Amino acid sequence: GQNIDQPTEMTATEGAIVQINCTYQTSGFNGLFWYQQHAGEAPTFLSYNVLDGLEEKGRFSSFLSRSKGYSYLLLKELQMKDSASYLCAVRADDSGGYQKVTFGTGTKLQVIP
Amino acid sequence: DTGVSQNPRHKITKRGQNVTFRCDPISEHNRLYWYRQTLGQGPEFLTYFQNEAQLEKSRLLSDRFSAERPKGSFSTLEIQRTEQGDSAMYLCASSLLQGYPPDYNEQFFGPGTRLTVL
Repeated sequence: GQNIDQPTEMTATEGAIVQINCTYQTSGFNGLFWYQQHAGEAPTFLSYNVLDGLEEKGRFSSFLSRSKGYSYLLLKELQMKDSASYLCAVRADDSGGYQKVTFGTGTKLQVIP
Repeated sequence: DTGVSQNPRHKITKRGQNVTFRCDPISEHNRLYWYRQTLGQGPEFLTYFQNEAQLEKSRLLSDRFSAERPKGSFSTLEIQRTEQGDSAMYLCASSLLQGYPPDYNEQFFGPGTRLTVL
């Protein structure tokens, strides 16, 4: 099976930088996604990492270390609209050789003035 | 709008009744996923299809749940003899899996169907 851990809640100040960590344990790892989900809405894609290193996309960056089973999402120049849940999701090959995506429980980020 | 659509958006039913939800994926996407999400939790995998074939079904899914994708396009999720514990948001997502080995396939989510079982 897969085990994905991320903090339940975080608070950060508008304009600041926040790092949301995700650790995972899985076999057949085949990529890690970060999704943003505002309350009452469906998740929307933020980033994808399959190789070690940092992927930057505007104010958002995502880092992956496969050997450590660790990823983080970095949000810069925080805005009030960034208040949302951030979901870490791991893609892995299941026992049948098919790919399966498993989501963590999400980190609820609150941005304060 | 060419995104993933789901109907109905909200469903209230009495315990013991059957309900059916529909998902229309992005037209060229060959993979379709069903998830269930309760408040404060991440989406929980239920099942997924590649074209019309159901490739995996979660062990958490009881026999009361069944999903179909008869023509490899839209999908339906049926819950029979609903229980109060079935109350949740049911999310559908689709992706395009292409290439070998299979490459990056972002999942696009629909707005969800919120089920309330009284």
